[in-house]
Order: sequence, then structure tokens, then C-alpha cells
Amino acid sequence: EDKVVQSPLSLVVHEGDTVTLNCSYEVTNFRSLLWYKQEKKAPTFLFMLTSSGIEKKSGRLSSILDKKELSSILNITATQTGDSAIYLCAAHSGAGSYQLTFGKGTKLSVIP
Amino acid sequence: GAVVSQHPSRVICKSGTSVKIECRSLDFQATTMFWYRQFPKQSLMLMATSNEGSKATYEQGVEKDKFLINHASLTLSTLTVTSAHPEDSSFYICSARDPAGGPFSTDTQYFGPGTRLTVL
Repeated sequence: EDKVVQSPLSLVVHEGDTVTLNCSYEVTNFRSLLWYKQEKKAPTFLFMLTSSGIEKKSGRLSSILDKKELSSILNITATQTGDSAIYLCAAHSGAGSYQLTFGKGTKLSVIP
Repeated sequence: GAVVSQHPSRVICKSGTSVKIECRSLDFQATTMFWYRQFPKQSLMLMATSNEGSKATYEQGVEKDKFLINHASLTLSTLTVTSAHPEDSSFYICSARDPAGGPFSTDTQYFGPGTRLTVL
């Protein structure tokens, strides 16, 4: 059974701190790993990672995939209160049956 | 293990037919379920919020007569795409809110694995 595990489950930091969120996956026919930020209406897409070792960056957020370790990390530097959200990781598996397996998320709370 | 399942995982149908997608919460009773559609570049769009025993709340721009949502029990919500057309081809994902709270209190939503709809 496909599985995605995120850690920690919950995290509270002060503004300005740097955080690292973890995601590990076990899926058949892995194709890519997706990160989302969930605040209100729908998860907002952050990154899609397909190649190992190549860092993707967007402002203060960055992410990298390690296919050998079957894992990914999402880094947020200089955190702001607006970064408070649940961060979801999802593994996309393919080969006929397109499927997204979501982790349970990491709740990040950034306090002033 | 999985707490939300979807069935079928993949469906191919002819234009004009209707397709029903099921979303089930396996480990808990979900009073609220959500239906999303995945667009290119992986963005997810919330289509509707489904509340058990009442009418679904649709997001602006989503045709309620086109996408029929039924939440007949605390563990099952269905999305029926009526008179499907090729432009309805997409990946549909449901999520269910755990009323007991889960690890994030009332924020906790568990996502299903999605259903790939292809309309020929």
C-alpha cells in the first residue's frame, strides 16, 4: 500500500526562524513529489520534484528530493506569521493508474 | 494506512455519459467532505463542500447541475459528472474533515488518492 509520512506533525516557531519539514514516501511507480500549502479554500501548489538532488526555490521556500532515501524536505527561511499553515506532501505515482498519495501534513505555527 | 478512499481510481467514458465517483472515509465519520479538481501545473481548485444530510455548497464558477454531489452518509460522498465532455477530463480529489479533530484539531483534512477521468 502506498504511503506518505510527514514529520513533524506540528511545529511552533518564532518569526525569523528557519524550519525544515520532512516527507518520506513508499509508492509504486513513483513519478514525482508535490508540496502544497493549505490555509483556506484549497491547498496551494508549491513545488513539484521529479529529480533527485536538484533544489527548487521560490522566495524563502526551497525543497529537494532524495530518491535514494525516498524522502524530501521543505525549508522555509526567515519565517513569517503568514507562513502559518498546514504543509502537505503528496507522492504522484503513475504507470496506468495516476494516483496522488497525500501525507497527513505538518502544521506550522509561526508566532511573532 | 489510508483513511480516505476513492473509487474508481481511473475511468474512461464517452462524451455525453455520466460518471459517478465515490469518496469514503474509512476510519472516521466525516460530516464534511470536499471535492477538488486538479489543474495543469498541479494546482487544486476547490469545487464544493459537501455536508452530510444537506445540500453541497459550490464554489463560484462550478456548475451544480453539472457536478452533482451527494453526501448521503457520514462515510460516503459522491460526485457525479453529468453529460461529461472532454473538457471535464481531469483529476478529481476528495478530502474528508475529521470532526474529532485529528492531530490538527478541526483543521484536519485527509485526502483521497484521486480519480482520473478521461472523457473521449
